[in-house]
Amino acid sequence: DTAVSQTPKYLVTQMGNDKSIKCEQNLGHDTMYWYKQDSKKFLKIMFSYNNKELIINETVPNRFSPKSPDKAHLNLHINSLELGDSAVYFCASSHVRGLTDTQYFGPGTRLTVL
Amino acid sequence: DAKTTQPTSMDCAEGRAANLPCNHSTISGNEYVYWYRQIHSQGPQYIIHGLKNNETNEMASLIITEDRKSSTLILPHATLRDTAVYYCIVRVGDYKLSFGAGTTVTVRA
Repeated sequence: DTAVSQTPKYLVTQMGNDKSIKCEQNLGHDTMYWYKQDSKKFLKIMFSYNNKELIINETVPNRFSPKSPDKAHLNLHINSLELGDSAVYFCASSHVRGLTDTQYFGPGTRLTVL
Repeated sequence: DAKTTQPTSMDCAEGRAANLPCNHSTISGNEYVYWYRQIHSQGPQYIIHGLKNNETNEMASLIITEDRKSSTLILPHATLRDTAVYYCIVRVGDYKLSFGAGTTVTVRA
């Protein structure tokens, strides 16, 4: 009964390839997120989706395209992968109530671009 | 979001209380104090949050000073499994979390 799940857990690919990471939450939340954690361990928000609508895009290259087919899923597609895309990508979800929310994170997808 | 300042690292003994400080002197009136942690190679985990009053849950206690410029996360009986990076984040519900460097807490047997 995993709350936020991601697939795959590990992804190794060549530069220039296109790949997708999938995320699903079974918490009934209306907001989902993608975060990136680079080699220096800093976690940064990439995208936020609320009720399937994009509400935050933190200056992420347009090679990254999130897609939310429904409120329980937020997938991340990456075109033309570059070495600098190597990182751990975390999906999260929450339900925003007024000024507060609690975000629940998935286990992460470690992407290695060779 | 207000900026927070945390010590880079701290050690504590297993079974003892761990007190993690956080300074947020520029916090505004509607911003909450959140604590998350990240155990090695796992996704961040929510611990607790508060606005003005002290809060306690099954994981920890949060003590916020009266002027709200600083707070302390207390892990009452630290275990080896509490070894992690702890993040203090000040924010309103604005659809993102802004993580800093956090405090690396090492619990020693």
